[in-house]
This record gives sequence, C-alpha cells and structure tokens, in this order.
Amino acid sequence: DSGVTQTPKHLITATGQRVTLRCSPRSGDLSVYWYQQSLDQGLQFLIQYYNGEERAKGNILERFSAQQFPDLHSELNLSSLELGDSALYFCASSVGIAGEDNEQFFGPGTRLTVL
Amino acid sequence: LAKTTQPISMDSYEGQEVNITCSHNNIATNDYITWYQQFPSQGPRFIIQGYKTKVTNEVASLFIPADRKSSTLSLPRVSLSDTAVYYCLVKGSGNTGKLIFGQGTTLQVKP
Repeated sequence: DSGVTQTPKHLITATGQRVTLRCSPRSGDLSVYWYQQSLDQGLQFLIQYYNGEERAKGNILERFSAQQFPDLHSELNLSSLELGDSALYFCASSVGIAGEDNEQFFGPGTRLTVL
Repeated sequence: LAKTTQPISMDSYEGQEVNITCSHNNIATNDYITWYQQFPSQGPRFIIQGYKTKVTNEVASLFIPADRKSSTLSLPRVSLSDTAVYYCLVKGSGNTGKLIFGQGTTLQVKP
C-alpha cells in the first residue's frame, strides 16, 4: 500500500459525459501528479500540482482539467468524453518536486471505460 | 523535445543479472533519472533514482554515464517475482517540468 488513495476504482460512462477522479496523497506529500496509461500510448504525464499550484503540464487535453485543494487532495475532471479516453488514470504523490531526488508514490489507479 | 527509448521486452532466467538500458536525450541537466517497476493492474513502484555515475540500493543498481544520455538499470540475480514492466522516468529540458516515461520494458523471468 503506497498510502495514495484514488476513487473510484472503476468508472463506466458514455461518450460526451463528464467525470471526476479523486486522489488523496500520502500524508505530508505536497506534490500530486496525474498520469494516463493506455495500451497504445503507455504512461503519459498529464499534470502536476505542488502545494495547490500548477507546477508542470504534460500532454493534457483541453477537455481535461485538474486542481489541488487546500487539504492537498486533487481532482481530475474529464469532459466531453471520447472512446479514446478509456484508460487507467494514476495519481502519484511526492514530498517535493519529481526529478529532484523525490520518489513518487502511485495510487492503485482508476479504470475509466467510455462506451 | 526529450525522447526516451527502451527495449520492448527482455527474457532472462532465475539467478541471472539483467541490465535494461534507457536512452534519453534533451533531458533536464539538473534532475534525477528514476526507474519504476509495474505489475499488471497496479501503479508503478519506485526502484531507484540517480543523477550521475552509479547508485546502488538493496534491490538494484543504476549506471548513468557522464553525458547522461542513457541510464542502465541492473537487477542482480532475478527471480520469478521480478517479472514485470520496467520504466525509466526523466524530466524534459527547458524548465517545463514535463515528465516523460519510457515506453517500458517487459521483463520475463523464466525458471
């Protein structure tokens, strides 16, 4: 158990809908990261927050948005869903900034299926 | 634009040493290179991290040459439980903070 929790574990929805994925980081971790993992794209970095502020952006679509709240939990909002958005979405947390001697701890993921 | 390349798959036998290399160009000059292990339906798990030369912990070693254009994860004496996908993770250059995972190397350990 990494200490990072993600809800829900599974989500099945229809094209055009909007969903929210939630992540609670490990106690004491200030950074939260979101990743998408699909069979054809591998692990793709979406976005990072550090202590409530957006820190880095990856290949995140304009239909997707995220935020980190004062209690440090984070939410990833996916809207106008398409079939290609079906994937595993991972949240990770770290004490500081990744790449600066800070390992990331990954949650169990949310499996999103868009029908 | 940073780019990473890893072998898609590798086979080994129990007790052997396995070396997996990740090639990465245009990475941030002052950031660490990290390797993760992932089992099916689980999140990646940290293995080792290094900045340059050689780093060793209780499960692996990491070799990074001076030009930092590649890194090699070394797993000594693998066992069946080491069958997993291994990823390198780097940060792209240019202060964007963008993180880039390699494509992953599927290691199959045979008895």
